[in-house]
Amino acid sequence: DVKVTQSSRYLVKRTGEKVFLECVQDMDHENMFWYRQDPGLGLRLIYFSYDVKMKEKGDIPEGYSVSREKKERFSLILESASTNQTSMYLCASTGSSSSYNEQFFGPGTRLTVL
Amino acid sequence: QKEVEQNSGPLSVPEGAIASLNCTYSDRGSQSFFWYRQYSGKSPELIMSIYSNGDKEDGRFTAQLNKASQYVSLLIRDSQPSDSATYLCALYTGGFKTIFGAGTRLFVKA
Repeated sequence: DVKVTQSSRYLVKRTGEKVFLECVQDMDHENMFWYRQDPGLGLRLIYFSYDVKMKEKGDIPEGYSVSREKKERFSLILESASTNQTSMYLCASTGSSSSYNEQFFGPGTRLTVL
Repeated sequence: QKEVEQNSGPLSVPEGAIASLNCTYSDRGSQSFFWYRQYSGKSPELIMSIYSNGDKEDGRFTAQLNKASQYVSLLIRDSQPSDSATYLCALYTGGFKTIFGAGTRLFVKA
């Protein structure tokens, strides 16, 4: 089974703090994704990565950056957290050899910015 | 028009009934289609994948795809209270991009 883990289930930070969210997958997947999910807005793609050190902007990259130094690890960074970044953050991965390109999700991190 | 449209619900069915969830999409180039189940406060869990027209069955779940009409549906037979969740329709359009619907809330009454 694919296992995607995220560093924290719940996180509370203050406005202006730098926040790191980490995601690790154990299936040797090439592609990894960061989404945020908000009520009424569904899942929105922030960034994705298709290889080590490669990254692409998604639909809402503003205020975020990412890092992929190792294949299994994809980090989301909030340079200066703001209250409108309070959300559920979901990491997902998929392998390039997959017939369907189905994504598998981690458990999520619920971030609250005060 | 949204790329993936789902009725937000809630859809309420009695225990043991068939729950029918529907999804329409706009991109005719979509290649693969998925149904995810998401319990409140949890992350989405993949329950069905389909890429050919027709039906695909897995246990109590059947996914149906009609590319000409641009819809995909999920049937849940013998619905159980544990099936109460939000069901997300998603489709892979190529170029690493998967589009998710906003989800349909299903409530199964015991």
